[in-house]
Amino acid sequence: AQRVTQPEKLLSVFKGAPVELKCNYSYSGSPELFWYVQYSRQRLQLLLRHISRESIKGFTADLNKGETSFHLKKPFAQEEDSAMYYCALLRGGAQKLVFGQGTRLTINP
Amino acid sequence: DAGITQSPRHKVTETGTPVTLRCHQTENHRYMYWYRQDPGHGLRLIHYSYGVKDTDKGEVSDGYSVSRSKTEDFLLTLESATSSQTSVYFCAIRPGQGANTEAFFGQGTRLTVV
Repeated sequence: AQRVTQPEKLLSVFKGAPVELKCNYSYSGSPELFWYVQYSRQRLQLLLRHISRESIKGFTADLNKGETSFHLKKPFAQEEDSAMYYCALLRGGAQKLVFGQGTRLTINP
Repeated sequence: DAGITQSPRHKVTETGTPVTLRCHQTENHRYMYWYRQDPGHGLRLIHYSYGVKDTDKGEVSDGYSVSRSKTEDFLLTLESATSSQTSVYFCAIRPGQGANTEAFFGQGTRLTVV
């Protein structure tokens, strides 16, 4: 069964400090992983996907198959990064998309 | 808005009554999903659809049924609502297969069962 685990429900850091949101997954096939973000009063939206190997708003995430992890990182946090972050895994075939429990990130001034 | 609308946006209903939530899209996307969002549990998949009349269960499907008789509408029904089904429900759509396709979300429906 596919599963996504985000061990931290809440994470609070100061502006300018590095941020790392953890995501671990279990899936027997080849994983396709994403990070989605929900800002206050906005819809859930895609932040980045592992296949693109991109950096969005200063965030990056590397897929580590050995550790079955897809942690989200940013070297210098900004106040506008405060939001709810979800890690997600897409299963091939019928395209089942499952999410983790979410991490609420708060950036303190 | 990514062409996805949920209705109603808010609903209060009594225990034991049937409730239907509607997800409507104008994008002609193939895949549609229903999730519930609860504190501490994040987003949990209820049911999803990979085509007209093609649906499958998610992680928390007990007490819920779905129907998709046409591409644009995906209905979620609570046959007999219970207080444990008080939640915020989100619908999502995706155009096709593969990791390059992004999921787009509705605004959410806040359901309260009293």
